Amino acid sequence: NAGVTQTPKFQVLKTGQSMTLQCAQDMNHEYMSWYRQDPGMGLRLIHYSVGAGITDQGEVPNGYNVSRSTTEDFPLRLLSAAPSQTSVYFCASTDRATRAQHFGDGTRLSIL
Amino acid sequence: DAKTTQPPSMDCAEGRAANLPCNHSTISGNEYVYWYRQIHSQGPQYIIHGLKNNETNEMASLIITEDRKSSTLILPHATLRDTAVYYCIVRAHNAGNMLTFGGGTRLMVKP
Repeated sequence: NAGVTQTPKFQVLKTGQSMTLQCAQDMNHEYMSWYRQDPGMGLRLIHYSVGAGITDQGEVPNGYNVSRSTTEDFPLRLLSAAPSQTSVYFCASTDRATRAQHFGDGTRLSIL
Repeated sequence: DAKTTQPPSMDCAEGRAANLPCNHSTISGNEYVYWYRQIHSQGPQYIIHGLKNNETNEMASLIITEDRKSSTLILPHATLRDTAVYYCIVRAHNAGNMLTFGGGTRLMVKP
């Protein structure tokens, strides 16, 4: 009963590097989202998807790309990492019937 | 999403019931009450939700007043692992994908 799985759990990057944060869910949820959470702050929506092949921008999309080629996977790409992107990143999938969001354990990302 | 008001912090003795209140006096007829929690260094966790009837699941009970202007999340036998920030969120099913967490209530379960 995996739910939402995020990898890696921790990552350190240098400014300018690119990387992909992985997110997979096994609940057959159509809706998936990426959030970032900075220390002492709430969640901010980066990008979301309402189904395979469909993505849209959230509140803070700049510097990030997403794609949704399958229902299960929703990777988040950092194009050119900047220190301002140091944060904890959470992926979530939404149960269509209840609208309850189920979160992964997060990826802790540090950009030096 | 309707505005919610929660106490910033509460303490509870281990093994006792934790009753977390939430005021949502401006709730609309099509808005549900959702509860999430976030344990330190973990992702937010969905607990329970309801529209107007009381609800119970394996984690908690949700009591919604008849006028729907307030609700209470009940953890019947709190454990140390229930120490977390608890968020009450009011939103309609067609409200879009973004969750907005307010300040929440920091529950400290003490031995």
